[in-house]
Amino acid sequence: ILNVEQSPQSLHVQEGDSTNFTCSFPSSNFYALHWYRWETAKSPEALFVMTLNGDEKKKGRISATLNTKEGYSYLYIKGSQPEDSATYLCASNSGGYQKVTFGTGTKLQVIP
Amino acid sequence: NAGVTQTPKFQVLKTGQSMTLQCAQDMNHNSMYWYRQDPGMGLRLIYYSASEGTTDKGEVPNGYNVSRLNKREFSLRLESAAPSQTSVYFCASSPGTSGSLGTDTQYFGPGTRLTVL
Repeated sequence: ILNVEQSPQSLHVQEGDSTNFTCSFPSSNFYALHWYRWETAKSPEALFVMTLNGDEKKKGRISATLNTKEGYSYLYIKGSQPEDSATYLCASNSGGYQKVTFGTGTKLQVIP
Repeated sequence: NAGVTQTPKFQVLKTGQSMTLQCAQDMNHNSMYWYRQDPGMGLRLIYYSASEGTTDKGEVPNGYNVSRLNKREFSLRLESAAPSQTSVYFCASSPGTSGSLGTDTQYFGPGTRLTVL
C-alpha cells in the first residue's frame, strides 16, 4: 500500500488571503495525481488530474503544480473566499495504474 | 442525468445482519468503485470493477462482496455486518477501462452512512 500524505491536516485563513497545501506521494511507478474538492455533506468533485512532471493546472483562483521526480504536488488558492471552505483531497496511483490511493485531505476553512 | 446514485442514504444494522448497498450510474462509464471513509483516514478502496463482468479487490475487501450486475449497476454486500464496518460508503464511476484507470476522473455518489450496532 503506497502512502499519500497531505499537509497540513487543517487550516484556517482569512477571507482574501492566499494559501497552499501539499500532497506527497511515492515517485516510483507514477501514473497520475488527482485533486478533488469535497464540501461538507456533498461528494468529492474533481479539480485537476496531472500526469507529467512540471504540469501546472489552473481553474479560476485555484491552481496546482506537480513534481513527479520528488513526489509532491502543491495546491494554491489565491484570494480565498468563504465558498472555498472544503476538504481538498489528493489521490495518486503510483502503486500501479489500476488502483488510486487517496490522502486524508486538508480541511480548509475561510473566515469572512 | 442523475450521475451516480446510491441507496439507501442511511442504514442501521445489528451485528450479524446482512445488507446490500446499491449503486447506479447513467454516464455509460466502464469503471465503478466502492470506497469507505472513516474519520482520520482517506477514502479506502474496497472493490472496483474495470468493466462489466469483472471485479477486483482493493485495499480493504475483507467482509465485503460485490456484483457488477450490468454496466450501470455495482452493488456492495455485507454478508454478516460487524461494528468495524460502521462507516460512510461511497460509490464512484469513471469513463475508462483497466488501461486508463490511473488518469480517469472519478465521479462520486452521495454516500451511504452505515451504522452497525
